[in-house]
Amino acid sequence: EVHLVESGGGLVQPGGSLRLSCAASGFTFSSYWMNWVRQSPGKGLEWVANIKQDGSEKYYVDSVNGRFTISRDNAKNSLYLQMNSLRPEDTAVYYCASGTYYLDNWGQGTLVTVSS
Amino acid sequence: DTQMTQSPSSVSASVGDRITISCRASQTIGTWLAWYQQKPGRAPKLLITSSSNLQYGVPSRFSGRGSGTDFALTISSLQPEDFATYYCQQADSFPLLSFGGGTKVEI
Repeated sequence: EVHLVESGGGLVQPGGSLRLSCAASGFTFSSYWMNWVRQSPGKGLEWVANIKQDGSEKYYVDSVNGRFTISRDNAKNSLYLQMNSLRPEDTAVYYCASGTYYLDNWGQGTLVTVSS
Repeated sequence: DTQMTQSPSSVSASVGDRITISCRASQTIGTWLAWYQQKPGRAPKLLITSSSNLQYGVPSRFSGRGSGTDFALTISSLQPEDFATYYCQQADSFPLLSFGGGTKVEI
């Protein structure tokens, strides 16, 4: 059974940094594109970033480009999201999800709150 | 960037009703469209890919159609467990993905 478990969320001040992790199990992690998707409280889904199987390609939504960095460690079956220069509008539940064109497995999410 | 617009934003319905949710792309996306279901406090669940391909285990009362810019998700006979929020997602501009704003199906 596929399992994706996010961690690392919490309360951070504007301008601060946070690193999210996603531990994967139950599938061949190194064979899949991986994604981060976020959902602000009471709002819809927003795709944030994705990364190719070998980490050689990374893409971001414009609103986080230059502030967030996606990475992965295939030896540890783990996905990461380094978030810098955080803003209040980055407050959201962050999900990791596997899939190339479509996202077929999701974690339960981790809440990031950016507030002073 | 391809923008996805869903309508309506919410719909009130009863068990047994047939409902259709629409999703429109700002530019043609072929059939590169998926539908997700999300219940409160839960992660989204992939229902349909490539506009009309039902994922394994998804009940046949769900169906999708469309191509180009206009797409639709139909639930033929609403069940209590179908009350949720539904999102469309385009993959034509992969690796850049985007979601519609969501449609809440409520009683």
